[in-house]
Amino acid sequence: EPEVTQTPSHQVTQMGQEVILRCVPISNHLYFYWYRQILGQKVEFLVSFYNNEISEKSEIFDDQFSVERPDGSNFTLKIRSTKLEDSAMYFCASSEVLPEQFFGPGTRLTVL
Amino acid sequence: GDSVTQMEGPVTLSEEAFLTINCTYTATGYPSLFWYVQYPGEGLQLLLKATKADDKGSNKGFEATYRKETTSFHLEKGSVQVSDSAVYFCALSQVNRDDKIIFGKGTRLHILP
Repeated sequence: EPEVTQTPSHQVTQMGQEVILRCVPISNHLYFYWYRQILGQKVEFLVSFYNNEISEKSEIFDDQFSVERPDGSNFTLKIRSTKLEDSAMYFCASSEVLPEQFFGPGTRLTVL
Repeated sequence: GDSVTQMEGPVTLSEEAFLTINCTYTATGYPSLFWYVQYPGEGLQLLLKATKADDKGSNKGFEATYRKETTSFHLEKGSVQVSDSAVYFCALSQVNRDDKIIFGKGTRLHILP
């Protein structure tokens, strides 16, 4: 069964460094999303992406964040200058037919 | 804005007990409703969904009915197993508006053998 994959599974970085989290959505899906889950808290929407542009973003998704679909298969989330409070599990999701979204296993980001 | 409220956990039950996890929502219009499950160390998996009022979603013995009159989508299972131990998230999405998923805080379920 096709699934969303994410790499790396765990990323440790120093505060102020740039990180890129990678996702490979399910191949025929057209809608892409990033969510995050701070430890012990609810899953929060960050951004949605369709037709090669951002369709919606939350207030969390400030100028430090960007997304890209560089090659038609990968979908990346970049954090330009990480802060301690960016430590969280980041989930990628994709969808072929709304509203159902399929989630990846997540990347745990630890900012030291 | 739209929101989801679900019962606080953790919930601890013995194997074969009846499970109910309450979920209510606040939303304009007619959202789609979901239950997602997160097993230890894993990502989010869609457990079941309902897209309109009075629909019943079901999967793996779990059920939830979309009740518009009470704005609820309670999760039930008649006989839980140890393998059901996980965190359960109630969620909603407004299709044709912004389609992001809004999650509740999650309910951790422990099933004792």
